[in-house]
Amino acid sequence: QQKVQQSPESLIVPEGAMTSLNCTFSDSASQYFAWYRQHSGKAPKALMSIFSNGEKEEGRFTIHLNKASLHFSLHIRDSQPSDSALYLCASRTGGYKVVFGSGTRLLVSP
Amino acid sequence: EAGVTQSPRYAVLQEGQAVSFWCDPISGHDTLYWYQQPRDQGPQLLVYFRDEAVIDNSQLPSDRFSAVRPKGTNSTLKIQSAKQGDTATYLCASSLGGDQDTQYFGPGTRLLVL
Repeated sequence: QQKVQQSPESLIVPEGAMTSLNCTFSDSASQYFAWYRQHSGKAPKALMSIFSNGEKEEGRFTIHLNKASLHFSLHIRDSQPSDSALYLCASRTGGYKVVFGSGTRLLVSP
Repeated sequence: EAGVTQSPRYAVLQEGQAVSFWCDPISGHDTLYWYQQPRDQGPQLLVYFRDEAVIDNSQLPSDRFSAVRPKGTNSTLKIQSAKQGDTATYLCASSLGGDQDTQYFGPGTRLLVL
């Protein structure tokens, strides 16, 4: 069964800094890799996803996937206080079942 | 486009009571998921449907939880006899299925079992 683990559990960064969040997965056949963001008291919302090895950039956010290392990451450039939230990574193997990690709680201090 | 809607938004029960949660997915989304999210943890899949069929309910505590999606649109998740350990937020999500994996979540139902 697919296992998805995130690190660190929590993170505090100053405004304007680069933030890096990590996720490892157990099934090398995984096909979909995504990051979701959940502000306090709100529903998770998809940030971005990737299907093949490499990088993908959208604004201040970059997702990087290395299937051989069973690892993908999210990098936030110029972190803002509004980025403070619970970040969830997710991965899918076969079918439509997506497994979420336990989350990294990010606090960006002004 | 209307998002995923859920009701009720909050529920408070005594142990042993029953409760039902209702979800209306985004129109045209054939895949529907129910997750349990304990406080400060990630969502944990309970069950998911493709149209009206249950695809995976292996994580659903079958002795007390049940879920249906009779017409392949709305869905109901029911807890027959709630326990304090069921205290969590229950999230419903939908997706287009196929290669469109992005899940769209509803606002959730926050359940407190006393």
